[in-house]
Formats: sequence, structure tokens, C-alpha cells
Amino acid sequence: EDKVVQSPLSLVVHEGDTVTLNCSYEVTNFRSLLWYKQEKKAPTFLFMLTSSGIEKKSGRLSSILDKKELFSILNITATQTGDSAIYLCAVGGRVYGGSQGNLIFGKGTKLSVKP
Amino acid sequence: EAQVTQNPRYLITVTGKKLTVTCSQNMNHEYMSWYRQDPGLGLRQIYYSMNVEVTDKGDVPEGYKVSRKEKRNFPLILESPSPNQTSLYFCASSLHPTTSGNTDTQYFGPGTRLTVL
Repeated sequence: EDKVVQSPLSLVVHEGDTVTLNCSYEVTNFRSLLWYKQEKKAPTFLFMLTSSGIEKKSGRLSSILDKKELFSILNITATQTGDSAIYLCAVGGRVYGGSQGNLIFGKGTKLSVKP
Repeated sequence: EAQVTQNPRYLITVTGKKLTVTCSQNMNHEYMSWYRQDPGLGLRQIYYSMNVEVTDKGDVPEGYKVSRKEKRNFPLILESPSPNQTSLYFCASSLHPTTSGNTDTQYFGPGTRLTVL
């Protein structure tokens, strides 16, 4: 069965700390891995990763994929209270009869950044 | 403004009363999808559509129907809602894979919080 597992499920840090969020997956016919940030509304897109070892970076956030070990990490440096959110990892894989439309989400990591 | 809209945003209903949650996107996206989000279970895909008149089941399709008669709209239909369908529902859309290379960079609507009593 295809699955995406995120860890930790929740994390509390103080402003200025650096955090690393983990996402491992077992998905048939892997296409890509995505990270989303969800505050009190809809998820918003952060990164899409398709190739191993290539770091994607946006400000204080960065992410990298390891397709051999089947995992990705999301790093946030110098955290701020505005980084408090649920971070979702999703993997696109071919699951149903050749159709490419399926996207499998992990349960998310809830990050709380204290002042 | 490019966006995905859902209506209603909040709905309280009773068991067995048919309801429809609408989803519309103005980005000319060919791919659309419905998810439900529940505590401890994360986001789970209900149905998706690769194009007009093309729909497929996701991970949790039981109790739901969808239709895709035109590109911009993808309504979610609950013919006979039950309390276990109480959830937060998201509609999402993205470009067609042959155009963008993949469907995965999805843009989400604001969500519909449904309570079935």
C-alpha cells in the first residue's frame, strides 16, 4: 500500500531555532514530492522536488530529496512565529490503473514557534 | 485574480439530505481534485478529474459523486450524507500533465467545513 509518513507529528521551538521536518514515502511509480504549508486555511505550495540531491531554496526554507532512501527533508532556519503552521508532504504516484492523477499526503507536522 | 472558489464555506446538514459543494477555478486548469481533511488522518483524495468528462476515484470515494461537464467547475455531490462525512473539504486544481509535465503543483480552494448531524 502506498504511504507517506511525516515526522515528527508536532514540534515546539523558539524563535531563531533551526528545524528539520522529515517525510518518507513508499509510492508506486514516484513522480514528485511536494511540500505545502497550511495555516488556518487552505494549503499553500512551497516546493516540488523531482530529482535527488538538488536543493530547492526559498528564503529561510530549503528542501532536498533522496530518491534512493525514499525521503525528503524540509529545513527552516532562524524560525519566526509566522512559521507556525502544519507542514504537509505529498507524493505523486501512479496508483490507479495507469492514471496519473493521484496525490498522497502525509498527516503533516504541526510546528509551533514560540517568541 | 487566479483562484479556486468553493461554496458554501460552512454547512450544517442532517443525515440523508442530498447536498452539493461547488468548486470553480478561473485558471483554465484541466486537472481538478477533491480532498477531505480529518484530524489524525491528513488530506485524503476523494475524486479527481483529468479533463472534462473524465473522472477517477481517489483513496476515499465511497459516499461521494462528482461531475465535470465543463472545465472550470467540479462539484462534489453527497447523495445521502452521513455523520462520518463530517469533515473539512478542499478542492484543488492544476495544469494538465502534458502541458506542465505533472499535475502536482495544485492550488487549493479555501475549504468547506461540513457537519452532518
